[in-house]
Amino acid sequence: DVVLTQSPLSLPVTLGQPASISCRSTQSLVFRDGNTYLTWFQQRPGQSPRRLIYKVSNRDSGVPDRFSGSGSGTDFTLKISRVEAEDVGVYYCMQGTHWYTFGQGTKLEIK
Amino acid sequence: QVQLQESGPGLVKPSETLSLICTVSGGSIKGYFWSWIRQPPGKSLEWIGYIYDSGTTYFPSFKSRVTISVDTSKNQFSLRLSSVTAADTAVYYCAREGGGSFGAYDMWGQGTMVTVSS
Repeated sequence: DVVLTQSPLSLPVTLGQPASISCRSTQSLVFRDGNTYLTWFQQRPGQSPRRLIYKVSNRDSGVPDRFSGSGSGTDFTLKISRVEAEDVGVYYCMQGTHWYTFGQGTKLEIK
Repeated sequence: QVQLQESGPGLVKPSETLSLICTVSGGSIKGYFWSWIRQPPGKSLEWIGYIYDSGTTYFPSFKSRVTISVDTSKNQFSLRLSSVTAADTAVYYCAREGGGSFGAYDMWGQGTMVTVSS
């Protein structure tokens, strides 16, 4: 199975400061069609996951532009340019190239 | 606005079969990949499998125990997981895969907690 390793697992951030989450895969996530199926989800406390970014860097409609995704091959990053209170929650990366697997999650909290 | 709603027993005995239904409202169930995903308490998410036009794919670790089926007349799809143990205790989500991107779930149900206990 493809294992996704996120870091850090806990991310205390001051309001207004940037945040970055890494997601590393044990195999390249480039599919035979040339696409890279790496998705980022946000799960606020007590809620279902919400898609933020798909295919590495495509932001969903309604997702603030302070969220951005980047990366290629086996290394991916979710960045929040300026953290707001509503960003508190757990962030998961997920790959859909080799079956579907999720990272362990990164818990973002306000410092 | 498409909405998904899981339903089913919240308590299942060990060795029995867990059965859940996901009802899709506000849109057709046809033409999309529909998945079941679970989240054990305090842990990450686990993909169980999906159904698309009655064709199914299951994650290998579940393959011997899982069945996902669809009832297009009711706009529902269902999960059956047999021979459950305490390790199957989790919140179970149904989700829709966004078109053109594997695993990019754009719609989720609210989740239903299933506890396996005698």
